[in-house]
Amino acid sequence: EPEVTQTPSHQVTQMGQEVILRCVPISNHLYFYWYRQILGQKVEFLVSFYNNEISEKSEIFDDQFSVERPDGSNFTLKIRSTKLEDSAMYFCASREQNSNQPQHFGDGTRLSIL
Amino acid sequence: GENVGLHLPTLSVQEGDNSIINCAYSNSASDYFIWYKQESGKGPQFIIDIRSNMDKRQGQRVTVLLNKTVKHLSLQIAATQPGDSAVYFCAENPLRGKLIFGQGTTLQVKP
Repeated sequence: EPEVTQTPSHQVTQMGQEVILRCVPISNHLYFYWYRQILGQKVEFLVSFYNNEISEKSEIFDDQFSVERPDGSNFTLKIRSTKLEDSAMYFCASREQNSNQPQHFGDGTRLSIL
Repeated sequence: GENVGLHLPTLSVQEGDNSIINCAYSNSASDYFIWYKQESGKGPQFIIDIRSNMDKRQGQRVTVLLNKTVKHLSLQIAATQPGDSAVYFCAENPLRGKLIFGQGTTLQVKP
């Protein structure tokens, strides 16, 4: 069964450094999302992306965050200058064109900011 | 076993028993709801979904019930197995955009 893949599985970075989290969505999907989950808490929406542009973003997704689909397969989340509070699991999700279908998630990247 | 609302985050059931996990949602305009299962170290895994024109939907060993009057969703798991142990999240999907997740319920299955 097709799945969303994310790399790396764990990223450790010094505070203030830039990180790029990578995702390969399911191949025929057109809608892409990033969510994050702080340890022990619920999953929170960050941003949605469709037709090469951001369609919605949350308050968490400030100027330090950006997303990009650099080619036909990858979808990336960049954090320009990481803060301690950025430590979390980051999940990528994708959905097909049919709006009555669910979003499918990858297994996440654990981001640890030191 | 059954939990009520989001004030009991852990549900412990005996293997073979039925489990009922409850969820309250907030947005009256939401018309699509999804249950996800999250195992340790993994991402949310789709279990079952339901649209607001339905009250009940059944899958393999799982049933989702939707009560729009009180904005309540439940997931029933029949004959719970050790492999069902995980955190279960309900999510509402208004306007088919972002998912709004509930707090989650930890299901523990005792052998």
